[in-house]
Amino acid sequence: DTGVSQDPRHKITKRGQNVTFRCDPISEHNRLYWYRQTLGQGPEFLTYFQNEAQLEKSRLLSDRFSAERPKGSFSTLEIQRTEQGDSAMYLCASSYRDMNTEAFFGQGTRLTVV
Amino acid sequence: KNEVEQSPQNLTAQEGEFITINCSYSVGISALHWLQQHPGGGIVSLFMLSSGKKKHGRLIATINIQEKHSSLHITASHPRDSAVYICAPFTDKLIFGTGTRLQVFP
Repeated sequence: DTGVSQDPRHKITKRGQNVTFRCDPISEHNRLYWYRQTLGQGPEFLTYFQNEAQLEKSRLLSDRFSAERPKGSFSTLEIQRTEQGDSAMYLCASSYRDMNTEAFFGQGTRLTVV
Repeated sequence: KNEVEQSPQNLTAQEGEFITINCSYSVGISALHWLQQHPGGGIVSLFMLSSGKKKHGRLIATINIQEKHSSLHITASHPRDSAVYICAPFTDKLIFGTGTRLQVFP
C-alpha cells in the first residue's frame, strides 16, 4: 500500500464548471476525512466518513459541495458551479476508527478556479 | 477566539539552534497530533500524543492535558527542518492550528 492517494494533483477550471476529486485511503482505514486549505492558513475540516457513512459535515460545505464514499473505500468530493473562492488545496486523510492512532494524509488536490 | 493557538507564527533560526513551538487549545481532546507540511502541500504526521512526552530523533513533543498545552522541540536544528509545523488536537476530527513557519539557515 503506497499510502493515501489523491487525484488529480492539480485542477484548473473555469468559474461555473463542476469538478470532482478522488481520494483513495489506506485500505484498512475506515475513517476518511476531507479538509480544505487556503494559502497561509491551516487546513479546515469539511467532512468525514466512517466506512460509507458520512458522519459530519462542516457548515463550510455548502450545497454546492457533495462527498461520497459509496463502498467504504475511495471517496469523491464534487464541487458544482465552482466559484473563485473555491480555489484551495483539498486534502484527504485516513485513519483507523479514530485519530487516536496516526493520521495519514494525501498530497492534496490543488484547485484553481479562473 | 480560535480553538487552537500556535506561537510563534513565524520562526527563523540558525543551524544548530534549539527550537520550541507552542500550542494551546480550548477544546476537550483525546489526542493531539503534530504535523509537518513542506511547500507543495504534503503533510506528514510527526507525533500523536495523549499524555506525557515522545521523542523521535531530534524531535521531542510534550503535552499537558490539564493545562491544554503542547510543545514541539527541535534540537540541533538543520536547514532541512524548514517547513510549517501544525498542531492538530483530535476531538472526533482533527482541528488544525494555523501553523508555525520555520526557516533554518546554515
